Amino acid sequence: NAGVTQTPKFQVLKTGQSMTLQCAQDMNHNSMYWYRQDPGMGLRLIYYSASEGTTDKGEVPNGYNVSRLNKREFSLRLESAAPSQTSVYFCASSRDRATEQYFGPGTRLTVT
Amino acid sequence: GESVGLHLPTLSVQEGDNSIINCAYSNSASDYFIWYKQESGKGPQFIIDIRSNMDKRQGQRVTVLLNKTVKHLSLQIAATQPGDSAVYFCAENAHMEYGNKLVFGAGTILRVKS
Repeated sequence: NAGVTQTPKFQVLKTGQSMTLQCAQDMNHNSMYWYRQDPGMGLRLIYYSASEGTTDKGEVPNGYNVSRLNKREFSLRLESAAPSQTSVYFCASSRDRATEQYFGPGTRLTVT
Repeated sequence: GESVGLHLPTLSVQEGDNSIINCAYSNSASDYFIWYKQESGKGPQFIIDIRSNMDKRQGQRVTVLLNKTVKHLSLQIAATQPGDSAVYFCAENAHMEYGNKLVFGAGTILRVKS
């Protein structure tokens, strides 16, 4: 039981490049989330998927898109990376919206 | 306690002492609260949770206290160990217009001195 896994662990992009961050969970959870974490700040919600087939914006969705590929997988796409998107990205999952979330190990993204 | 911004509050304690980490939450309608621990280079790890119909919950070496009157949450760690050194976040389940969401505080750094 791996929990929540994320790939890649590290990524460096040039401004304007695109990439997709992958996330998968093996806990049969309904809800999945993408957060970003910047130095000295709490986690900010980018997008979430309350259940398979649905996605919704969080508090900082601009510049990102998501796909809930199936119940296990939830990907985050940056179409045209900007330096302001340099951050650590965490994927999380939970059984339902109002239960504890389990986090992946994170992806450190640097945009130059 | 919690604060937003670049400078996280830091709590330094001696190994073996008890630690108390505080958190003020914002939404009086929040009905569920969680404490997370985040070690350097890792994702947040669930420690303990509490629902608003309780004012105290105990786990292994940890206790969470909830005071709804003043919207305050605390995490007590008994006999603090070097492995407890980390950033601790509280989160509240806030009811937003688009549904529930977890709102995280910025965190408190716990440093354990041996």
